[in-house]
Amino acid sequence: ELKVEQNPLFLSMQEGKNYTIYCNYSTTSDRLYWYRQDPGKSLESLFVLLSNGAVKQEGRLMASLDTKARLSTLHITAAVHDLSATYFCAAPQGAQKLVFGQGTRLTINP
Amino acid sequence: DAGVIQSPRHEVTEMGQEVTLRCKPISGHNSLFWYRQTMMRGLELLIYFNNNVPIDDSGMPEDRFSAKMPNASFSTLKIQPSEPRDSAVYFCASSLTGTTGYTFGSGTRLTVV
Repeated sequence: ELKVEQNPLFLSMQEGKNYTIYCNYSTTSDRLYWYRQDPGKSLESLFVLLSNGAVKQEGRLMASLDTKARLSTLHITAAVHDLSATYFCAAPQGAQKLVFGQGTRLTINP
Repeated sequence: DAGVIQSPRHEVTEMGQEVTLRCKPISGHNSLFWYRQTMMRGLELLIYFNNNVPIDDSGMPEDRFSAKMPNASFSTLKIQPSEPRDSAVYFCASSLTGTTGYTFGSGTRLTVV
């Protein structure tokens, strides 16, 4: 059974700082997904990583995938308040199903 | 495309009543997923369908929950009878197998009093 674990689960940081969220998964997969959820809202797709070594960047967020280590990272550069949200990673189990991590609640303080 | 459409957005009902949540997936998507989200348990997969057929319902909490997908453009999740512990946000998501993950609907916030 695939398990997906994120850490940290809660992260409070100051604007302007850098930080990384980690996503470990327990079985082999060549794909990994990141989602963002704002309070009271739905989940929105952020990044789709489709191969080992894949790196995607959008603004101050950069995601990478190391399939050999079964690890994906979401790096935040020079954080701004607008990035405060909960971030989920998800790995596929079979052809259709995604297994989600617990989510990392990120709070960025001025 | 209008995305995944869920209704209602909010539902408040009394314990013991029947509740039906509705979902219209993105046209052309062949998989549909029902999730429940609470503070205590996070995001839980309840059931998913592929080509309108239920594939995995192991996450359905008990017999009070049932889900149907009569055609490719419509699914329902029914709770009968509802209980206060069913209060949660219920999300529907759809995808096309082998592509870029799920698209989530806006969710239904269910409160059972």
